[in-house]
Amino acid sequence: DTEVTQTPKHLVMGMTNKKSLKCEQHMGHRAMYWYKQKAKKPPELMFVYSYEKLSINESVPSRFSPECPNSSLLNLHLHALQPEDSALYLCASSQETGRLNTEAFFGQGTRLTVV
Amino acid sequence: GEDVEQSLFLSVREGDSSVINCTYTDSSSTYLYWYKQEPGAGLQLLTYIFSNMDMKQDQRLTVLLNKKDKHLSLRIADTQTGDSAIYFCAETIPSGGSYIPTFGRGTSLIVHP
Repeated sequence: DTEVTQTPKHLVMGMTNKKSLKCEQHMGHRAMYWYKQKAKKPPELMFVYSYEKLSINESVPSRFSPECPNSSLLNLHLHALQPEDSALYLCASSQETGRLNTEAFFGQGTRLTVV
Repeated sequence: GEDVEQSLFLSVREGDSSVINCTYTDSSSTYLYWYKQEPGAGLQLLTYIFSNMDMKQDQRLTVLLNKKDKHLSLRIADTQTGDSAIYFCAETIPSGGSYIPTFGRGTSLIVHP
């Protein structure tokens, strides 16, 4: 199993809503990532979890709240988002972040639209 | 994306070879990757090369690395319409003891019959 599974595939939410994005992998990877990708742009790193601990937060606004309940799951809790937060949110995993050879495997993404 | 540069577009005819270029800035030993993204989808890892190698071949894909010029290229032989996608060059950037995949802007490959 070399898949990273993200749910939901599409999400439309209002600016006052609270929603969560979910990500799951069963490759035994100990590093998991959230990236945000706007149209025609590269993925931009948001958060990195290493061994279930948050190791990198790229100055992401607090309306995005990551959570890593266990080594297979990664969530991104969303609250009071703005229309400019509409984007493709990509989850990725790799064996660990301390290795120079950091092959990251990506999910299919959640297409988020904030209205 | 500032550390990794790519040209934005490439248009080729079906059956021809495609060459997608990338320059990177990190001078330390690193792994360099090519990812493919089809419309509305996630990123698929195509291949990678370690910076002590000059070339790596995998079926229709050939990766060439010029470490002196920090230049990486991906050659796709016998390009097919299914190869139409955005191709991202990426390198692992050290950040606080971690190595994080960092992406170029992506090259849109358009294959026409």
